[in-house]
Amino acid sequence: DTGVSQNPRHKITKRGQNVTFRCDPISEHNRLYWYRQTLGQGPEFLTYFQNEAQLEKSRLLSDRFSAERPKGSFSTLEIQRTEQGDSAMYLCASSYRAGAGYTFGSGTRLTVV
Amino acid sequence: GIQVEQSPPDLILQEGANSTLRCNFSDSVNNLQWFHQNPWGQLINLFYIPSGTKQNGRLSATTVATERYSLLYISSSQTTDSGVYFCAVEKAGGTSYGKLTFGQGTILTVHP
Repeated sequence: DTGVSQNPRHKITKRGQNVTFRCDPISEHNRLYWYRQTLGQGPEFLTYFQNEAQLEKSRLLSDRFSAERPKGSFSTLEIQRTEQGDSAMYLCASSYRAGAGYTFGSGTRLTVV
Repeated sequence: GIQVEQSPPDLILQEGANSTLRCNFSDSVNNLQWFHQNPWGQLINLFYIPSGTKQNGRLSATTVATERYSLLYISSSQTTDSGVYFCAVEKAGGTSYGKLTFGQGTILTVHP
């Protein structure tokens, strides 16, 4: 068990560019979550997968955001036409059932310049 | 949505001191977790504790679900305890997806 892995750790991009982040959850965990955290705030929920099905999306997830989890394994989060307001830490977490604790990855820090 | 309030917002301790962090929430919950975010940004799960009391080494937590609060106790604090402590909850009666709402956190600084 190597924990939840996120790549890249840091990403600097120019406004208007597309970016994609990857999350590899713990292998036996079927639940996967994406959160976003800005400076001085707690993480905010973005979206949730159970296996390959995306079961809930936050209103924070605008049309420019899309997430996938093909075959219920790793997940990707894509942001199209990035804006400066997208600058944040993007966190992925997994758990093996609803009544279990989360394991978070180290996050991907996005800076849009 | 459910509201989560943590207190105090900041806490400064000398090594060896004890502390209590509090989390109040506005509705019934079926999931409550405490996390520690270290200075490098990594969130570590400390407790899954929707009710009752748990202990893990120098840390313990108690959730009184009927009164809508949870407490995190840190005894004999060490400099490595520094960081931000988050309480996160899931409102009961929903779809049980495990979606968490986080508080604003308590920033703990432990001086040697």
